Amino acid sequence: SQQGEEDPQALSIQEGENATMNCSYKTSINNLQWYRQNSGRGLVHLILIRSNEREKHSGRLRVTLDTSKKSSSLLITASRAADTASYFCATDDGNTPLVFGKGTRLSVIA
Amino acid sequence: DAGVTQSPTHLIKTRGQQVTLRCSPKSGHDTVSWYQQALGQGPQFIFQYYEEEERQRGNFPDRFSGHQFPNYSSELNVNALLLGDSALYLCASSFETGLGHEQFFGPGTRLTVL
Repeated sequence: SQQGEEDPQALSIQEGENATMNCSYKTSINNLQWYRQNSGRGLVHLILIRSNEREKHSGRLRVTLDTSKKSSSLLITASRAADTASYFCATDDGNTPLVFGKGTRLSVIA
Repeated sequence: DAGVTQSPTHLIKTRGQQVTLRCSPKSGHDTVSWYQQALGQGPQFIFQYYEEEERQRGNFPDRFSGHQFPNYSSELNVNALLLGDSALYLCASSFETGLGHEQFFGPGTRLTVL
């Protein structure tokens, strides 16, 4: 079974707009990671946030983590057509392997 | 610096056959994990290898087996293939630093079972 649940399942925006995706999980975690997957290919690691961190930035990406609500969000600012992909959150508790959600399919329209 | 490589890229098999998929980890990595990703789903953990031993295993039947070699490369074997085994099989490598488990994924092998 999958622990993470991304929301929404699909998102369509115009180029230049911001995209926000959410992830909820069920059990305590050590880390939460976000990955991107282009059209059924390999996953690309975007960012890792530890359970004692609340916010992290990487370029146009901003990730927040709220452990009290067991949720995380990924914000992509000033989106580009090349950001079109599926985005997955994955969690681990330090003893178990990564558990992925079903992903959010993002379409950025030029 | 080569990333994670997988072979073959695509594979078509028939029910009941056996298949072997291969993975070479990123340079400097010693841990290899295998995932199965069905269409429209997130990756599901199959098992992880470290020091040539299966360290953890997900909820997959014994038809799924693996191996890790001294050079850290790995194989995934699936016996008695079922239609439901059709999926993208992803290999990921990592090096545990105790600070998290950032994994580097290969491009995957697309397996179709007819």
